[in-house]
Amino acid sequence: DGGITQSPKYLFRKEGQNVTLSCEQNLNHDAMYWYRQDPGQGLRLIYYSQIVNDFQKGDIAEGYSVSREKKESFPLTVTSAQKNPTAFYLCASSRGTGELFFGEGSRLTVL
Amino acid sequence: EDKVVQSPLSLVVHEGDTVTLNCSYEVTNFRSLLWYKQEKKAPTFLFMLTSSGIEKKSGRLSSILDKKELFSILNITATQTGDSAIYLCAVVRGNQGGKLIFGQGTELSVKP
Repeated sequence: DGGITQSPKYLFRKEGQNVTLSCEQNLNHDAMYWYRQDPGQGLRLIYYSQIVNDFQKGDIAEGYSVSREKKESFPLTVTSAQKNPTAFYLCASSRGTGELFFGEGSRLTVL
Repeated sequence: EDKVVQSPLSLVVHEGDTVTLNCSYEVTNFRSLLWYKQEKKAPTFLFMLTSSGIEKKSGRLSSILDKKELFSILNITATQTGDSAIYLCAVVRGNQGGKLIFGQGTELSVKP
């Protein structure tokens, strides 16, 4: 079945460590997105990519990095520069109509 | 600054009640408005609205857009405990590659 797979579902990290969240899609969508969700704040856009080898910063890109070497994959690295990384991270893809298809999310906790 | 505001932020009702969730927006170059339901993890798509005054329906859920007054409502009739979720409203901006701006979400709790 087509869909978006995020891993890991739960991740714990010590302060000062970088972590990478995986996002893979087999929907053949060109556009992929990373959102962060905090209680009471809805979803905020971190980075997005509309085509392979190209990506743009979203509204809260500081402390994060991404790559888009393959159409199917859009990994997100949470660096030690991110001051408050504990959150729920959602990856999504789109065929360009505006409708997003979401993965199950990754919950990152910094100890 | 573009923004999407949902109200109420949380709501508790009993089974069988009818609820109305609100979404207002101030967005340049509006293209469409979407509603999502998020139960535990991945938000699932409910509706996409692009034209004013045309109601979209799916079972007990319906939604309508008013582009003059810049808002949308999501109605749920005869609520069930399975309707308990966070409902997200998002606006697509036409000039920024389809990026969505999300509201804060409305957390709906339906009690038996």
